[in-house]
Amino acid sequence: DSGVTQTPKHLITATGQRVTLRCSPRSGDLSVYWYQQSLDQGLQFLIHYYNGEERAKGNILERFSAQQFPDLHSELNLSSLELGDSALYFCASSALLSVGETQYFGPGTRLLVL
Amino acid sequence: QKEVEQDPGPLSVPEGAIVSLNCTYSNSAFQYFMWYRQYSRKGPELLMYTYSSGNKEDGRFTAQVDKSSKYISLFIRDSQPSDSATYLCAMDTGRRALTFGSGTRLQVQP
Repeated sequence: DSGVTQTPKHLITATGQRVTLRCSPRSGDLSVYWYQQSLDQGLQFLIHYYNGEERAKGNILERFSAQQFPDLHSELNLSSLELGDSALYFCASSALLSVGETQYFGPGTRLLVL
Repeated sequence: QKEVEQDPGPLSVPEGAIVSLNCTYSNSAFQYFMWYRQYSRKGPELLMYTYSSGNKEDGRFTAQVDKSSKYISLFIRDSQPSDSATYLCAMDTGRRALTFGSGTRLQVQP
């Protein structure tokens, strides 16, 4: 168990809908990262937040947004969902902002868009 | 062309065998190299982390980085059925946005 928690574990929704995925980092970790894992694209970096501020963006669609709250939990919002958004969404956390720091991954949220 | 290439396998070996897993990359800015293990329906778990070229050993695992060839390897000695999983290489320029290989599925037969 990495100490990173994600809810819900599974989510089934329809195209065009909006969902929110939630992540609680390990106790004391200030950095939260979101990744998407799909069969065709593999595991891809979406976005990084540190202590409430956005630090880096990857190949995140404009329909997707994220935020980190003062209690350090983070939410990933996915809107106007398409079939291709079906994937595993992982949250990871690390303690600070040090280069090369270990990222600890949560168990993921499995999203199925029908 | 992907920045990180990894043979998806599957790789099937008998118990006790030495396993060699490899990744190549094209971005010379990568400085930090990691191997993650992912069991089915679970999150990736960090196995090894190395910085720059050289070898690093941890128990039955050895990670090797050759920056001149843009090639990294993970060796598993005395492989066990419990090692059966997908192994993902990951790389970082220092931006903390990890770039992953597609993963190699390993099956260790008892």
